[in-house]
Amino acid sequence: QSVLTQPPSVSGAPGQRVSISCTGSSSNIGAGYDVHWYQQLPGTAPKLLIYGNNNRPSGVPDRFSVSKSDTSASLAITGLQAEDEAHYHCQSYDGSLSGRVFGGGTKLTVL
Amino acid sequence: QVQLLQSGAEVKKPGSSVKVSCKASGGTFSTFAISWVRQAPGQGLEWMGTTIPVLRTSNYARNFQGRVTITADESAKTVYMEVSSLRSEDTAVYYCATFSNGHFDFWGQGTLVTVSS
Repeated sequence: QSVLTQPPSVSGAPGQRVSISCTGSSSNIGAGYDVHWYQQLPGTAPKLLIYGNNNRPSGVPDRFSVSKSDTSASLAITGLQAEDEAHYHCQSYDGSLSGRVFGGGTKLTVL
Repeated sequence: QVQLLQSGAEVKKPGSSVKVSCKASGGTFSTFAISWVRQAPGQGLEWMGTTIPVLRTSNYARNFQGRVTITADESAKTVYMEVSSLRSEDTAVYYCATFSNGHFDFWGQGTLVTVSS
């Protein structure tokens, strides 16, 4: 059971916009800790996608953006492309557990 | 660009231990913090612990305290993660990753550890 809750799957057609939610609690996202997102292509290691307040590592397009509110965060992907098909993981810090926590991951299918 | 190269797949018996290595290249090793994250088959990611080699300190997730040890050899630019008292639920891909400002920047390729009798 992951500390952060994500939907198991989402889908969208090429060109569409999709969003992936990440729900936490008052001891992690609600406490103001940053949320970070990772993309994991099939059979590969996760890759840092967005960190903190919409900071993207070099090479990550601005089609990917994040928002945060109360105890939850969301990753939005606009102009969906076939190569976006992957698992997406959110991550934060939990003050009660004194450690880094992840969501269970969301599989994005591009129809 | 930092690159992390992990050791190869392992098959272990229940009750035994496994030690996985993670060698860094590029960047400045003395400035690194290195974390270990695992992913059981079909599951999400789970943080295990983090070490700062230059300070010779490590901290661990509560679920792994007492059973996981993370060490480093600065001269070899290598970090090690050992799990003892292995059980079938420890079957997973284990990743090392650099850690900074609360997130994991660069990841190793992963090491599959299979625990089976």
